[in-house]
This record gives sequence, structure tokens and C-alpha cells, in this order.
Amino acid sequence: KQEVTQIPAALSVPEGENLVLNCSFTDSAIYNLQWFRQDPGKGLTSLLLIQSSQREQTSGRLNASLDKSSGRSTLYIAASQPGDSATYLCAVDTNAGKSTFGDGTTLTVKP
Amino acid sequence: SAVISQKPSRDICQRGTSLTIQCQVDSQVTMMFWYRQQPGQSLTLIATANQGSEATYESGFVIDKFPISRPNLTFSTLTVSNMSPEDSSIYLCSVGGGQGYTFGSGTRLTVV
Repeated sequence: KQEVTQIPAALSVPEGENLVLNCSFTDSAIYNLQWFRQDPGKGLTSLLLIQSSQREQTSGRLNASLDKSSGRSTLYIAASQPGDSATYLCAVDTNAGKSTFGDGTTLTVKP
Repeated sequence: SAVISQKPSRDICQRGTSLTIQCQVDSQVTMMFWYRQQPGQSLTLIATANQGSEATYESGFVIDKFPISRPNLTFSTLTVSNMSPEDSSIYLCSVGGGQGYTFGSGTRLTVV
């Protein structure tokens, strides 16, 4: 059974700082890994999708990496802004087509 | 990627009643997924809904409590039946596959 862990559970940083969020998974037989953002009480917004054959994806100030063999992914956020404050979730899609989510990292960026 | 319209966005319901949540997708999709997110927790898959067949439920979820309809390739409903305060959660529908997943905006349910 796939298990997904996200560290840290919460993170508070001053505006402008670069930061890294971590996601680890137990079963490396994944189809893809997706990073989402969730604002309080809201749905999920997709940030980046990494296919199992890829090593990283970039979108603006966001960069996600994937190391399948070690069961790890990181989400790098450059030059953080208060608007980046949200909960960040990683989801691992197995070949069975079901996504397993981590518990998320709640990020607070202080002005 | 697909765009999903989910409603209602929130509701406050009396215990013992039922609520039906609707998701409309702007394109035809084979599978739709229903998730529950309990307060302070991550998402848990309730069931997978295929058009023209019975939904497939995950361990711990049963059809009598969470009946699902999938009348066509763009629409699905999830009903939360005989509600109790423990059902207070955010419910989300999702579509997708190899190119990633898209989520509806969620239904925030409070049972009093």
C-alpha cells in the first residue's frame, strides 16, 4: 500500500526567502506525481505534474523534482511571497490510477 | 485540462438528512473520482465512478452511505446519506489520469 509523507507539516518564512517542501513515498512504482495548492476551505489547484520518466518540472518560481528510486520529490519555491501562503499537497498516482495524498505542508509567508 | 463545476460550495445540514453534491465537467471523461477531506486531514478517496457501471468504493466506504450516480460522461453526483456530525468534511470530485488530475472547488459540509 502506497504511503505518502510530507515534511515539514508547517513552515513559516519571511517574504523573499527560498524554500523547499519535501514529499516521500514508499512504493516507487508510480505513474506520476502531482503537486497541488489548497487555500483554506477550498479545492485543489494543480501546480506541477511530473511523469515517472521525468526528473523535474518548472513553472515560474516553482520547481519540482522527482527521484523515483529513492521515493522522494521536492517542491522548490523561489522568492516566496505572502500570496504563496497555503497548504501544499503532493499526490502520487499508482499504475492502478488511484492517487494517494500526503497530509500536506502548511506554508505561511510573512510580509 | 478539464474544468469542473461543483455545487453546492457549502451547506449546513441537520443530522439524519441527506445532501447531494453535483459535479459537471466541460468535457467527456471516463472516470470521475470522489474524495473526502476531514478537518485538518488530507484527501481520502471515497469511490471511482465510471459511466454505465456501479461505482467502485474504497475500503471503509459503502454505497448505502455514499450512493453515486454517473448518468453520462460529463456529470456525477455523490449523496451523503443519513448524516451525522462525523460527516462534516470537504467533499471534492476529480477527473484525470496520465496527464494529472483536476479537482472541483469542493463542497464544505457541516452537519449540526
